[in-house]
Amino acid sequence: EAQVTQNPRYLITVTGKKLTVTCSQNMNHEYMSWYRQDPGLGLRQIYYSMNVEVTDKGDVPEGYKVSRKEKRNFPLILESPSPNQTSLYFCASSLTAEGANVLTFGAGSRLTVL
Amino acid sequence: AQSVTQLDSQVPVFEEAPVELRCNYSSSVSVYLFWYVQYPNQGLQLLLKYLSGSTLVKGINGFEAEFNKSQTSFHLRKPSVHISDTAEYFCAVSEVTGGGNKLTFGTGTQLKVEL
Repeated sequence: EAQVTQNPRYLITVTGKKLTVTCSQNMNHEYMSWYRQDPGLGLRQIYYSMNVEVTDKGDVPEGYKVSRKEKRNFPLILESPSPNQTSLYFCASSLTAEGANVLTFGAGSRLTVL
Repeated sequence: AQSVTQLDSQVPVFEEAPVELRCNYSSSVSVYLFWYVQYPNQGLQLLLKYLSGSTLVKGINGFEAEFNKSQTSFHLRKPSVHISDTAEYFCAVSEVTGGGNKLTFGTGTQLKVEL
């Protein structure tokens, strides 16, 4: 089944404790992206990657890092999480970066930072 | 830069009634338009999209939307809703000439279908 898989789905952590949210897709997509969803703000793009070893900042990159060493994986790294990073995170991918392509979303990762 | 406005944060409606969810966008260039749906505790999935051609587009589950360039709108409609349509709906735009598949989302409309 074609899908985007995120882990963990739920996580509670404390301020300053580094964490990684993994994202993997099995569709051989070139383009991958991370979004965060907050009430009343919709989804905002954190980082995106147009292909292996090519990443760029989205609208809200502060406090996050990403890497794209392999085509299928695009982990999101929070080096020193803070409470304002409590949110629902979505990874998404599409065939290419062209704007007409439909994004396939993962099921989401709900992160709470105490 | 593009932006999307969904004026209604919540829309309550009775089952079998029609519904319209409003979406307006702003962009200095041509855009592609999308509606995504998010069911409780799930990721987003595509309802429908407008890329070019006919301004009336049909999607899954009986939904349709009409692109109105002069009014910069892309309202979503369904003639008769079902309880299972209860979900959050997001309108999104990406620029035709943009890179990085920059999809800008609206703030979402929570559709609540009641018996």
